[in-house]
Amino acid sequence: NAGVMQNPRHLVRRRGQEARLRCSPMKGHSHVYWYRQLPEEGLKFMVYLQKENIIDESGMPKERFSAEFPKEGPSILRIQQVVRGDSAAYFCASSPTGVANGYTFGSGTRLTVV
Amino acid sequence: RKEVEQDPGPFNVPEGATVAFNCTYSNSASQSFFWYRQDCRKEPKLLMSVYSSGNEDGRFTAQLNRASQYISLLIRDSKLSDSATYLCVVNIGGGGNKLTFGTGTQLKVEL
Repeated sequence: NAGVMQNPRHLVRRRGQEARLRCSPMKGHSHVYWYRQLPEEGLKFMVYLQKENIIDESGMPKERFSAEFPKEGPSILRIQQVVRGDSAAYFCASSPTGVANGYTFGSGTRLTVV
Repeated sequence: RKEVEQDPGPFNVPEGATVAFNCTYSNSASQSFFWYRQDCRKEPKLLMSVYSSGNEDGRFTAQLNRASQYISLLIRDSKLSDSATYLCVVNIGGGGNKLTFGTGTQLKVEL
């Protein structure tokens, strides 16, 4: 029973390029959450999605960031025109129904912008 | 005021010691409470849920005080392998499904 799968584990992008981060939730989980962890800081909520719907994007920067969770396939977090300040660990989590029992996290994608 | 506040530590304790972490949250409507553990450069992992009645899992005991908006985690008989950052996590409520994480308390268990 595979856990939450994120890829790639490490991603290096030059300033101005696009970054695409993928997340496949655990089997049977229909709720997906994205968090960002900057160096030496806590996890910050970015977006909460269910299949084909963005439920809460209150933590997403207004520009350059977007997320989707299509009917088929993984959830994608997309960062356009990356800047050095986007360098962080991006964690995806999933849950079967809401947060009553907490989330399960994937191993994260470490984005480095050079 | 931060939504979830923790003492960052580090707490340096000898093996076998008992150590307690505290956390406060700002929103009295908060509904669900957890402790997560995060090892260096790894993902957070759920340690335990926290209930008003208190709950215990082996050497770990968690307690919630809703009146004081305070959560605690007690680790007895610390092991070297307990060294990690412990994250206090709250569902702030308001009908949302997101969890808010404290910045974590670092624990180092030493020989």
